[in-house]
Amino acid sequence: DTGVSQDPRHKITKRGQNVTFRCDPISEHNRLYWYRQTLGQGPEFLTYFQNEAQLEKSRLLSDRFSAERPKGSFSTLEIQRTEQGDSAMYLCASSLGNGNTIYFGEGSWLTVV
Amino acid sequence: DQQVKQNSPSLSVQEGRISILNCDYTNSMFDYFLWYKKYPAEGPTFLISISSIKDKNEDGRFTVFLNKSAKHLSLHIVPSQPGDSAVYFCAARDDGSSNTGKLIFGQGTTLQVKP
Repeated sequence: DTGVSQDPRHKITKRGQNVTFRCDPISEHNRLYWYRQTLGQGPEFLTYFQNEAQLEKSRLLSDRFSAERPKGSFSTLEIQRTEQGDSAMYLCASSLGNGNTIYFGEGSWLTVV
Repeated sequence: DQQVKQNSPSLSVQEGRISILNCDYTNSMFDYFLWYKKYPAEGPTFLISISSIKDKNEDGRFTVFLNKSAKHLSLHIVPSQPGDSAVYFCAARDDGSSNTGKLIFGQGTTLQVKP
């Protein structure tokens, strides 16, 4: 499978714990995006990388959230001190340059209890 | 402020008939539009796209129409099949001045195709 890969697919955590999600984009895709989707809503943009540089962050990305893409390939999204409002599906997507289709991974479900 | 709106939360059609899903947007600077299909517990799957310089794009059973003056686009599925039952998201590319290529999504329309 050469699509966007995300891990883990599901995570249940207690409030206050830290969680980390990993995304492996499609090979050679230089652009990587993180989105969040809650029930009944469309995906909402969180942040964007071009190669290893994080070029844009949404206001939705509070200081408890941090994303990295250290070598311009895979990316991680860490949520510190999780809150129940963080429960959502976290989607990773990638594309090859601008003007091209953005492809999404299967998503990582987070449930904070 | 919802820049991309899908005002119909759900749509039910009979197998073999046409499904028409609608989407409205407010930002005239959007230059590229996409439709994604999503099954429960999965990520969105790209279906079809259209550039703002076109008014129609067709791919098999799927056709997207763009009316720039009305800031409206629609996805037509003909003929509809039970396997098309899913949530459909309209998305617009918001480059702004940063050229990120990020997408702004509508809320989604749940399509049910009855056998």
